[in-house]
Amino acid sequence: QTVVTQEPSLTVSPGGTVTLTCASSTGTVTSGYYPNWFQQKPGQAPRALIYSTSNKHSWTPARFSGSLLGGKAALTLSGIQPEDEAEYYCLLYYGGAWVFGGGTRLTVV
Amino acid sequence: QVQLVESGGGVVQPGRSLRLSCAASGFTLNSYAMHWVRQAPGKGLEWVAVISPDGSNKYYGDSVKGRFAISRDNSKNTLYLQMNSLRAEDTAVYFCAKVHSSGWYHFEYWGQGTLVTVSS
Repeated sequence: QTVVTQEPSLTVSPGGTVTLTCASSTGTVTSGYYPNWFQQKPGQAPRALIYSTSNKHSWTPARFSGSLLGGKAALTLSGIQPEDEAEYYCLLYYGGAWVFGGGTRLTVV
Repeated sequence: QVQLVESGGGVVQPGRSLRLSCAASGFTLNSYAMHWVRQAPGKGLEWVAVISPDGSNKYYGDSVKGRFAISRDNSKNTLYLQMNSLRAEDTAVYFCAKVHSSGWYHFEYWGQGTLVTVSS
């Protein structure tokens, strides 16, 4: 049973910077896991932010960036806005199967 | 613009079947792989299934393998999820998702979801 692990919760101040990570129970996350990142606000469908580690969709704000960091996939938010408060999920590909992380609840206070 | 509208959810008894639909518009369905993802109440996202653009390749999550079947009718711009032998743990909002043009690894647009409740 493959497990993808994210920080359960993080708190950050407006204007600050935070990095969310996404680890695989199988070992180091590489570009071959095609990491995706999603944002979900209460009562809404998920919204795609990042695909293939670091590629942004046309609607992804510039303050969001994706990378590989210390053997994990990472999502960095810089210059955080109050509207960034949400749940964030990563998704990794395992050869014919996809596994979501448990999500990180980001609180902006 | 791209729109994905799920339908077919509802309340169903354990052991029964249900078929979900995802109506696509604003793009040519037969050019893209499509996924189903679900979310149990108050829980995280769980990947369910994927189908290739022409329907020839399908993969499933372990929890639904052998019970659920993904299919598509490109002529009707519609994706389906046939759910059989439903269990209480299948209770969730089911989302369909379109992939980015660069491959089926990359999620792009999501529908708003349809709620399936499995209960006696």
